[in-house]
Amino acid sequence: GAVVSQHPSRVICKSGTSVKIECRSLDFQATTMFWYRQFPKQSLMLMATSNEGSKATYEQGVEKDKFLINHASLTLSTLTVTSAHPEDSSFYICSALGRGPGYTFGSGTRLTVV
Amino acid sequence: AQKVTQAQTEISVVEKEDVTLDCVYETRDTTYYLFWYKQPPSGELVFLIRRNSFDEQNEISGRYSWNFQKSTSSFNFTITASQVVDSAVYFCALSEIADNFNKFYFGSGTKLNVKP
Repeated sequence: GAVVSQHPSRVICKSGTSVKIECRSLDFQATTMFWYRQFPKQSLMLMATSNEGSKATYEQGVEKDKFLINHASLTLSTLTVTSAHPEDSSFYICSALGRGPGYTFGSGTRLTVV
Repeated sequence: AQKVTQAQTEISVVEKEDVTLDCVYETRDTTYYLFWYKQPPSGELVFLIRRNSFDEQNEISGRYSWNFQKSTSSFNFTITASQVVDSAVYFCALSEIADNFNKFYFGSGTKLNVKP
């Protein structure tokens, strides 16, 4: 079946630094990828939608300069949290849309900013 | 307004009990998809089922069954003879044709605790 690999699974970083999270579709081409954020004991909220080769579309209230999304190829999208602060600590999860398999979620990244 | 409502925040049952997780949705589209996902403590989302709005047949998969009722806008999930491994947070989600089915609206999740 379709597999989406997300890396790293856990990351701890210092306040003010940047963190990059990768989302790769391993066995299919993902025309569109999605990034979600989940605060503790809360639901998943869509942050942005990225299409290969074009700028990401951000949901209302999500700072595009803080959460940089790059979708440079049909198998890779990256989310960079710039100048991270403790309030950015969250669980980030990506999903990928391919022509065949529908939607597949990555395993998530737990970000802790100290 | 919340498009997907999971009124049960947390449910605790004893192993072998049956349990039903409720999901009520709201949409103006006639074409949409409904989903259930399981999120174990490790965090990944495990796909359980996808149902399109034109298919109201109930589905059974092993100990899992789903009851889709358009008349009440509900898509409830029942686990029969629950097991400790069923302990997780379960999310119901909706995607609509208005968004090209690209956007998932997740409910707030129901945490299921199955005790031995």
